[in-house]
Amino acid sequence: DTAVSQTPKYLVTQMGNDKSIKCEQNLGHDTMYWYKQDSKKFLKIMFSYNNKELIINETVPNRFSPKSPDKAHLNLHINSLELGDSAVYFCASSRSWGGTHNEQFFGPGTRLTVL
Amino acid sequence: SQQGEEDPQALSIQEGENATMNCSYKTSINNLQWYRQNSGRGLVHLILIRSNEREKHSGRLRVTLDTSKKSSSLLITASRAADTASYFCATDDNYGQNFVFGPGTRLSVLP
Repeated sequence: DTAVSQTPKYLVTQMGNDKSIKCEQNLGHDTMYWYKQDSKKFLKIMFSYNNKELIINETVPNRFSPKSPDKAHLNLHINSLELGDSAVYFCASSRSWGGTHNEQFFGPGTRLTVL
Repeated sequence: SQQGEEDPQALSIQEGENATMNCSYKTSINNLQWYRQNSGRGLVHLILIRSNEREKHSGRLRVTLDTSKKSSSLLITASRAADTASYFCATDDNYGQNFVFGPGTRLSVLP
């Protein structure tokens, strides 16, 4: 069984559209994350949720809105997509926030292409 | 802000050789972690070393941490073609929070 899953795997859309990426983890972890990996492979954290509460919100345009309906899910909704949003988006989870149990388990990624 | 930065950016070696990658960071950390990313895949956790540890082994992997120099190294011994991937270090702060990933080292192991 997949530990951290994301859907869709590929997303091609026009500028200005609104899209969502879903993430689910079946590891029983408390903490989930969204990362953006650009074309140069640089990985930057966007959001982190611990027990459904937002704890990290990096400098990300407010067009990006995460939603955590429960501990096992962290979805990412993007409004008014722009060309610069094209990237690979990774969801990850860890057992807890902080301390020494924060090894992260990553999903397979969602490659978003904005035309 | 603190950041792990790996060097070299790219490394190409022959199968059977050892590969060494380095990571430097700027501020105090709780843990330092190494991850591997195969092309088109998500990151896979390799090893975590705590700030009070100096060396850790896992199979063919050896990680060292020098907090006085704010640096870590990842050594892969007897490399295999399957080790071809990008390797990232990730640091957190004193509370084990606020992860920052470095830009990664692209390792190519030639058969």
